[in-house]
Amino acid sequence: RKEVEQDPGPFNVPEGATVAFNCTYSNSASQSFFWYRQDCRKEPKLLMSVYSSGNEDGRFTAQLNRASQYISLLIRDSKLSDSATYLCVGPRDNYGQNFVFGPGTRLSVLP
Amino acid sequence: DAMVIQNPRYQVTQFGKPVTLSCSQTLNHNVMYWYQQKSSQAPKLLFHYYDKDFNNEADTPDNFQSRRPNTSFCFLDIRSPGLGDAAMYLCATSRDLSFEQYFGPGTRLTVT
Repeated sequence: RKEVEQDPGPFNVPEGATVAFNCTYSNSASQSFFWYRQDCRKEPKLLMSVYSSGNEDGRFTAQLNRASQYISLLIRDSKLSDSATYLCVGPRDNYGQNFVFGPGTRLSVLP
Repeated sequence: DAMVIQNPRYQVTQFGKPVTLSCSQTLNHNVMYWYQQKSSQAPKLLFHYYDKDFNNEADTPDNFQSRRPNTSFCFLDIRSPGLGDAAMYLCATSRDLSFEQYFGPGTRLTVT
């Protein structure tokens, strides 16, 4: 099993919809996870850090489920500008200090 | 102001001709990373420096080397680029190993 797995999508949703992505991880030691957003031919940009209590920033909510070993990203009231690839970052080993990027989930928000 | 800067943004090199990519940071972060990203794939970690300590990934080819002469700068040297090395090369920094990483804009390498 890969350290971090994501559904590659694409997720095609209408503007205004709520969409959720999950990311599963196999190494349980880490206290922190991250969601990045990457636009085509650009660098990844940090979207949210995800700690034990989860995180919320405006329309974006991230949750951590340790029992099932996944993190989620919820986007409410999606905008056209949310169209991007969303990369999950999780632990690469059981020491929790080295991270690996998931393959990314592609989101297209349609007018 | 840009916090992680990469130069050049685009680099064309010939097959087998050594090339050096540059990264600098104004964040004073301890850790600097180099990633390779090919189209529709996740960034793949090549190596990282924790301060002056170099940490190579097990599957990084010997063709890839790195130097970190000081806290602010880190270089990626590709000794003999092959066609398969054409990719986006991303530099990132983080305060420490378990903290979020901040990326530069990347250098897109073309090998002819």
